[in-house]
Amino acid sequence: NAGVTQTPKFQVLKTGQSMTLQCAQDMNHNSMYWYRQDPGMGLRLIYYSASEGTTDKGEVPNGYNVSRLNKREFSLRLESAAPSQTSVYFCASRPSIEGYTFGSGTRLTVV
Amino acid sequence: AQTVTQSQPEMSVQEAETVTLSCTYDTSESDYYLFWYKQPPSRQMILVIRQEAYKQQNATENRFSVNFQKAAKSFSLKISDSQLGDAAMYFCAYRRKQGGSEKLVFGKGTKLTVNP
Repeated sequence: NAGVTQTPKFQVLKTGQSMTLQCAQDMNHNSMYWYRQDPGMGLRLIYYSASEGTTDKGEVPNGYNVSRLNKREFSLRLESAAPSQTSVYFCASRPSIEGYTFGSGTRLTVV
Repeated sequence: AQTVTQSQPEMSVQEAETVTLSCTYDTSESDYYLFWYKQPPSRQMILVIRQEAYKQQNATENRFSVNFQKAAKSFSLKISDSQLGDAAMYFCAYRRKQGGSEKLVFGKGTKLTVNP
């Protein structure tokens, strides 16, 4: 099925470990986004990419890096995980006009 | 910067009744999109309804409708004939219309409980 695929769905990390969250979309969308969701905070934008080769910071970028590998893939990297990064992470993509499509999310726990 | 406020952290409704979820937003733009997303326990973000600011007619999708008051910057969601499957978190969101990469700005959400 067409859509946004995120991997992994669940992950537990120790403080200081690194990992990359993967996101791929097969809808030929230009724009892609990474959000984090915390209880009582809604979804907050971490980074986004307007097109292949470009990335920009969102509201809460500290502690994260991203790569727009090609039009399909947009990865999020935690270089040194901290307990404050325990959250649910969503990747989304969007064509030129409205219509965000979200992935199913990654629940990350940092202990 | 644009902000979205959902003043009701939790709401409850009896099955088959009607409930209205509130949302206000702040923007200096004249043209933009507004959205309501549903997030059930499965965690999936599901688009419920969207409204374009330049359209005066309120959007409707089956049992879901909005009351869009542009001057008041208000965008409430009405759910009619509530069903058990409507129980979820509901997020109001805003997006500028111009620009190829414009981001969704979300409110903090309203947890809706449907009582049988």
